[in-house]
Amino acid sequence: GENVEQHPSTLSVQEGDSAVIKCTYSDSASNYFPWYKQELGKGPQLIIDIRSNVGEKKDQRIAVTLNKTAKHFSLHITETQPEDSAVYFCAARAGTYNNAGNMLTFGGGTRLMVKP
Amino acid sequence: EAQVTQNPRYLITVTGKKLTVTCSQNMNHEYMSWYRQDPGLGLRQIYYSMNVEVTDKGDVPEGYKVSRKEKRNFPLILESPSPNQTSLYFCASSLLVPGTLSNSPLHFGNGTRLTVT
Repeated sequence: GENVEQHPSTLSVQEGDSAVIKCTYSDSASNYFPWYKQELGKGPQLIIDIRSNVGEKKDQRIAVTLNKTAKHFSLHITETQPEDSAVYFCAARAGTYNNAGNMLTFGGGTRLMVKP
Repeated sequence: EAQVTQNPRYLITVTGKKLTVTCSQNMNHEYMSWYRQDPGLGLRQIYYSMNVEVTDKGDVPEGYKVSRKEKRNFPLILESPSPNQTSLYFCASSLLVPGTLSNSPLHFGNGTRLTVT
């Protein structure tokens, strides 16, 4: 099955700096890569996702890049703010709707701390 | 408000005492899933359901049961809880299987922290 590794496990940055979180996946059939943000005491919330037919996607201060050849994808947050402090999870999903590989496989999470 | 509701938020129990964690969504979603979150391991899928009366095992199904008798509800049952099931549990739902449509994100509940002594 799919295996997703996420690095680093913790990341501390100064407010205004950029933060980058990287994930690698094992299954070359994976075609959907979402990123989730989990604030304290809450469930994860989707912040951005990318499909395998796209190399990069941006949404304001966040962007995700995908390198299918190397099987890795990254989350980039620019101009970080204290409210960006949270745990971030990457995930990967292989297959199509009708096959058995329907689950999302999550990385181990990155705790991002943005210091004011 | 569109949401996934889990109950209870916190639960402390003893080994072997059957328990149920409820999950309900009000978005008419077909797909529902249970995850457990453990430090360093991320979120691991326990069971999922693609529609009413259709359930399947995820990565870590041992010791758990689920049912999907109605579209909105997807309870997680621990028939005989053990200390290694101490964890943070999340229920999630989406319109369809995650990734099949760009507007079908996975919505999570706020979690149930379970402690088994």
